[in-house]
Parts: sequence; structure tokens; C-alpha cells
Amino acid sequence: GDSVTQMEGPVTLSEEAFLTINCTYTATGYPSLFWYVQYPGEGLQLLLKATKADDKGSNKGFEATYRKETTSFHLEKGSVQVSDSAVYFCALRNPRNSGGSNYKLTFGKGTLLTVNP
Amino acid sequence: ETGVTQTPRHLVMGMTNKKSLKCEQHLGHNAMYWYKQSAKKPLELMFVYNFKEQTENNSVPSRFSPECPNSSHLFLHLHTLQPEDSALYLCASSRLDNEQFFGPGTRLTVL
Repeated sequence: GDSVTQMEGPVTLSEEAFLTINCTYTATGYPSLFWYVQYPGEGLQLLLKATKADDKGSNKGFEATYRKETTSFHLEKGSVQVSDSAVYFCALRNPRNSGGSNYKLTFGKGTLLTVNP
Repeated sequence: ETGVTQTPRHLVMGMTNKKSLKCEQHLGHNAMYWYKQSAKKPLELMFVYNFKEQTENNSVPSRFSPECPNSSHLFLHLHTLQPEDSALYLCASSRLDNEQFFGPGTRLTVL
């Protein structure tokens, strides 16, 4: 079945440092890929997405490129802020394997990011 | 504020209690979901409803009983829970094939 593997946390950085959170996936066909963010005490929010190979999703200074050859969707940000401290989830949606529901998301375990001033 | 609200935000219950979680979406979406978020585990999809019809039950124990009276409301009825059911329960909604919007979750503790 489909699966998502993301780097184990926690990740601790200083403000303005460069961020990379690795995400790789296993899926048949052509899934869509997502990064969600969960701030303390809140639900998940969609951060960015990419629906086909070589697409780059971007939002709030974060970027991720859909690499089919390496089955990866790594999240990057050039200069993190304290307000970026949160848990980040990589996810995929694979209509081919969703059966009756075309909207099923498969999530990674999440990576806790802490940014210190 | 994502347009998806959940009540209560926190719930403590004994193993013999019966309680319900409520989710409401104000986004005009047709699909609604229940997820379970436990520490150190990936989010687990529990149930999916599309136009009030249940389209997925991810082998969830019968002590969890969902109800979707209309496209805007989703309930999760709980009875005879176990301590290992303690978790954050997240509700989400979406239009067909579009992104899912999540509520803030209900933090459930089973004593």
C-alpha cells in the first residue's frame, strides 16, 4: 500500500537558519503530494501542494518540489522564524488506491520543528 | 480559523461513559472525515462521509460510532472506550478532490 516516510524529529534551529525536512513516498501511479503544518493547540493547515512531477509548491517562504525519479517531496525554507515552530506533516493522495473515496490522505508521522530566537 | 469547528475541545471520560464529539463545517463542502492522532503515530483516517453517505470505515472498533445527519455536521459517538483510545480526534472537510480543511481537534482522555 501507499506510505510516506519523513525524517524523524525533533529538529531545532536558530532563527534565520536554513530548513530541510525530508519526505519520501511509496505509491503506485501518480499521487498528489502535500505538506501540512500543525501549530500548537490547533488542527492541521495545508501549507503547500504539488499535483504532478516537477511541480513546485510554495507558500509563506516554504517550497517543495515533486521529484518522481527519487519519489521525494522535501520541504525547504531559506530563513526560518520563531513563528515557524510547529509539527510538519508530509502526505499523499492517490486516487488510484483510494477505492470508494477519492480523497483519502496518507500521512507521515510528522516532524516537530522548534526555532529558537 | 479554518471554517471547521469541533466541540468540545477537551474531554475526560471513564470507560463506562457515553459521550459524543461534534464537528461542524461552514464551507459548503460535501465530504467530512474523522482522524485519530496519537503520539508518535501517523494520523489515522477513521471514517469518511460523502454527501452524508459513509464511504470508508478504516476497521474502526464498534465502540466508535459516526453519524452524519447532513453535509455540515458530523458526530462521533463514543461508548465503552479504552485508555488506549486517548488521543486527539480531528475532523476535516473538503470538496471533491480538493484540499482538506481541519478543525482544531478534541483532546480525549479515557480514564
